[in-house]
Amino acid sequence: AQSVTQLGSHVSVSEGALVLLRCNYSSSVPPYLFWYVQYPNQGLQLLLKYTSAATLVKGINGFEAEFKKSETSFHLTKPSAHMSDAAEYFCAVTQNNAGNMLTFGGGTRLMVKP
Amino acid sequence: DTEVTQTPKHLVMGMTNKKSLKCEQHMGHRAMYWYKQKAKKPPELMFVYSYEKLSINESVPSRFSPECPNSSLLNLHLHALQPEDSALYLCASSQADPDTQYFGPGTRLTVL
Repeated sequence: AQSVTQLGSHVSVSEGALVLLRCNYSSSVPPYLFWYVQYPNQGLQLLLKYTSAATLVKGINGFEAEFKKSETSFHLTKPSAHMSDAAEYFCAVTQNNAGNMLTFGGGTRLMVKP
Repeated sequence: DTEVTQTPKHLVMGMTNKKSLKCEQHMGHRAMYWYKQKAKKPPELMFVYSYEKLSINESVPSRFSPECPNSSLLNLHLHALQPEDSALYLCASSQADPDTQYFGPGTRLTVL
């Protein structure tokens, strides 16, 4: 079984501040982990993914995430927030025997203050 | 190119109507998905097609009927829907299992 928990349904930062969105997962086998971003009334856009290669993964728009097996975490960070980063962010997990099943966390709404 | 297209963008229908949602990808992906997303919630998986065969049906009511005519196309036929079926319907595709799923822009469905 697999599951994802995103701590904090809402996160607010000032423009230029560090962005940290938290994601913890549970998986019975080595996981594949993803971060997606969703802007209002749009589909989900892939930010980055971890598939058992490098533990520090760099994505689009300056985001990165680090896979920490000991903490079962895959937190998303960006050094300096921009107004355009305001959106909903979803962490998701799948695994080799999941039969194409992607399990999403509850989502985190990122708000960026000027 | 990682584009999944969906039509229509918006759809308003009555409870007695029959309509269809369409999804298309030309990335050679062999798995295609339908998700339903309510406001402020993550997407919920409805159906998975793998190599044009239905592989997962997440106990979706029969008023939703999926169809995969070929490897590039996925339809969702709608009939006798309820107002609570109003949501954003997302299509996705992936190369294999497990693999990255690429999402379309969605169809915003309103059932009156």
